[in-house]
Amino acid sequence: AQTVTQSQPEMSVQEAETVTLSCTYDTSESDYYLFWYKQPPSRQMILVIRQEAYKQQNATENRFSVNFQKAAKSFSLKISDSQLGDAAMYFCAYRSAEETSGSRLTFGEGTQLTVNP
Amino acid sequence: DTEVTQTPKHLVMGMTNKKSLKCEQHMGHRAMYWYKQKAKKPPELMFVYSYEKLSINESVPSRFSPECPNSSLLNLHLHALQPEDSALYLCASSQVGRVIGNTIYFGEGSWLTVV
Repeated sequence: AQTVTQSQPEMSVQEAETVTLSCTYDTSESDYYLFWYKQPPSRQMILVIRQEAYKQQNATENRFSVNFQKAAKSFSLKISDSQLGDAAMYFCAYRSAEETSGSRLTFGEGTQLTVNP
Repeated sequence: DTEVTQTPKHLVMGMTNKKSLKCEQHMGHRAMYWYKQKAKKPPELMFVYSYEKLSINESVPSRFSPECPNSSLLNLHLHALQPEDSALYLCASSQVGRVIGNTIYFGEGSWLTVV
């Protein structure tokens, strides 16, 4: 079974600064997907960024980028130029590329990000 | 804007009531999901439908009964719930197979309170 670990229950950052959220995972599979979801107080789960394991290039989406280290099974999220609207719970998630088990999304415990003005 | 729509947004029900949560998506996805989420915890998978057939039931108590009338709709029928069932219920959908990272898209959730 796969596991996802987020070792930082809470993080804070000053507005306009950069913050990095950590995520590690454990799997025996070679083909999978990794995601960062954001859940603001409204509680909707919003996709922030995704990474295909077979792609060596790190994914980026505007101010959000990841550092994907497949050998180390690490998948950190960097938020640049932090904004007040970035304040939320951030979940790292794993999904197998195998059809039979690919329906399950394994989440980490989450990191609560506070953005200070 | 979410393309997975859930109704109602909030629901309060007694332990003897029967109610339903509804979910609709128009993204052409053929997999739909129900998740349960407690405060400050990650979502927990309850059910998965693939091509309108139940493919995963994560040992959910029978007081929760899912239904997938067609490829766009997903219901969760609730009966004789317990106070500990109070939670946010998230509906989600995705493509089936290796398509664009097979991303799962979530609705805004239905807040359920059992009194």
